[in-house]
Amino acid sequence: AQSVAQPEDQVNVAEGNPLTVKCTYSVSGNPYLFWYVQYPNRGLQFLLKYITGDNLVKGSYGFEAEFNKSQTSFHLKKPSALVSDSALYFCAVRDMWAGGGADGLTFGKGTHLIIQP
Amino acid sequence: DTEVTQTPKHLVMGMTNKKSLKCEQHMGHRAMYWYKQKAKKPPELMFVYSYEKLSINESVPSRFSPECPNSSLLNLHLHALQPEDSALYLCASTSGGSYNEQFFGPGTRLTVL
Repeated sequence: AQSVAQPEDQVNVAEGNPLTVKCTYSVSGNPYLFWYVQYPNRGLQFLLKYITGDNLVKGSYGFEAEFNKSQTSFHLKKPSALVSDSALYFCAVRDMWAGGGADGLTFGKGTHLIIQP
Repeated sequence: DTEVTQTPKHLVMGMTNKKSLKCEQHMGHRAMYWYKQKAKKPPELMFVYSYEKLSINESVPSRFSPECPNSSLLNLHLHALQPEDSALYLCASTSGGSYNEQFFGPGTRLTVL
């Protein structure tokens, strides 16, 4: 079964500093990996994905993620954090059940990112 | 139109009530999903519809009944729910292909009394 793990419940970063939110994966076959962000009482917003190709993926709002096959990791990064980045971040992997693009997502437990002014 | 809409935003129901959640998208997506998210937990997949046919049911109790009337609409019919079913119910859609991201709606916050 496909799974992702987010080892940190919470990450605290000062505004303007770089941030990293960690994610490791366990999959059979090629991993299709995603990062989503959730603000309080809201749905999930897509940030970026890794399917194949370059290991450094750039996404929305200045976020990027680095895919590392040898370490089975897909960490989310941003060079300079903003207070408005404070939210709940989920790493996810595409399930490989039904195929045909109708597979669901399996999410990590989530990491609260707190950016301090 | 690049959004998924869900109604109602909030729903309070008793254990004997029957209610429905509605999800709509006009992006031409052919796969639609229901997820359940408990407080401080990640979303968990409930159902997947592909080309208006139910393709995945993650062993969800029969008190939850999904319906896909057409390619733009997804309903979740609720009957005889339990207080532990209180959660945020999220709808998502995708254009298909395992490499495509899912677009999520804002969710319906359900409280079962």
